[in-house]
Amino acid sequence: EPEVTQTPSHQVTQMGQEVILRCVPISNHLYFYWYRQILGQKVEFLVSFYNNEISEKSEIFDDQFSVERPDGSNFTLKIRSTKLEDSAMYFCASRGGSEQFFGPGTRLTVL
Amino acid sequence: EDQVTQSPEALRLQEGESSSLNCSYTVSGLRGLFWYRQDPGKGPEFLFTLYSAGEEKEKERLKATLTKKESFLHITAPKPEDSATYLCAVQAYGGSQGNLIFGKGTKLSVKP
Repeated sequence: EPEVTQTPSHQVTQMGQEVILRCVPISNHLYFYWYRQILGQKVEFLVSFYNNEISEKSEIFDDQFSVERPDGSNFTLKIRSTKLEDSAMYFCASRGGSEQFFGPGTRLTVL
Repeated sequence: EDQVTQSPEALRLQEGESSSLNCSYTVSGLRGLFWYRQDPGKGPEFLFTLYSAGEEKEKERLKATLTKKESFLHITAPKPEDSATYLCAVQAYGGSQGNLIFGKGTKLSVKP
């Protein structure tokens, strides 16, 4: 069964460093998303991506964040200068029909 | 503002003890309501999509129902392996590519 994959599973970084989180969506899906979940809190929408451009972004997705689909399979989230409050689980999701399918997540720890 | 509220926050059941989880929502126009299961440290796993009031979906011991203001996830004769956090999310008209608005979830524990 096709699934969304994410790497790495856990990333530890120092405050101010850049991180890139990687996702491989389900192959025939066209819509891609990033969400985050701070420990003990709800899953929050960050950004949606379609046809090689951002479709919608939340207030959380400020200038420190960017997304890219560098080739036909990968979808990345970059945080340019990490802050302590960026520590969270980051989930990638993809959609072909109406349902979004989520990856296992990357746990980002900012020290 | 679109929002989703789930209750209870936590629910402890004995194996075989049926119950229901509630998801109430306020949204400008409902495109779809989604139920997901989330195990600790994992991503949400899709369960159901509901589109209109009166709709019901079933899968094994789970049944999801939808009214104009809320959805219920009914769990019949649960087993310990049903223990997880159940997330409700809505998709509103107006969001251009279908971003989901999640509730905080209900953490279900089923004891043998």
